[in-house]
Amino acid sequence: DAKTTQPNSMESNEEEPVHLPCNHSTISGTDYIHWYRQLPSQGPEYVIHGLTSNVNNRMASLAIAEDRKSSTLILHRATLRDAAVYYCILSGGANSKLTFGKGITLSVRP
Amino acid sequence: EAQVTQNPRYLITVTGKKLTVTCSQNMNHEYMSWYRQDPGLGLRQIYYSMNVEVTDKGDVPEGYKVSRKEKRNFPLILESPSPNQTSLYFCASSLAGPGSYEQYFGPGTRLTVT
Repeated sequence: DAKTTQPNSMESNEEEPVHLPCNHSTISGTDYIHWYRQLPSQGPEYVIHGLTSNVNNRMASLAIAEDRKSSTLILHRATLRDAAVYYCILSGGANSKLTFGKGITLSVRP
Repeated sequence: EAQVTQNPRYLITVTGKKLTVTCSQNMNHEYMSWYRQDPGLGLRQIYYSMNVEVTDKGDVPEGYKVSRKEKRNFPLILESPSPNQTSLYFCASSLAGPGSYEQYFGPGTRLTVT
């Protein structure tokens, strides 16, 4: 399975944009890029996913590099509630499972 | 409200005493799955089900059983719990395979086996 690499942690300021990077240099052509987050004491929560094109939804934007070897999750305006562990995950197709790594811990300063 | 529910949320039990953790979803999802989360090991899949009566092993199935008799329910059974099954358990569901569809996770069940 193709793997992802994320920094261990990142800090941001409230109300500022946050860019969370993810490297996936061995990604294959059929791998989707997923982002989930896990707030303290809660189950993981879906954020966004994409294949080739950039994606936007109410929570975030996903920017995918042209060669697809990296991607960036963008939170446009961080709030204290966005402090969580963010997981970047690749899946090999519709029926593939999601393998969660360690993720990146985002801290948000007031 | 669309949700995945798990019961109980907290459970302390003793070695060898059979237990069942229930999971139910109200979204008519085909796919359901169980994970366990341990410090330093992250989330690991135990079992999954692509549809009613279809279940398969995940990465760490030893010591667990599941059944999928109805679309909405996917109970996790520990026939003879052991202390190494002390963990935080999450149930999840998605419309179809999680590779293409978002997974919805339950709130978690914290299990302690003494």
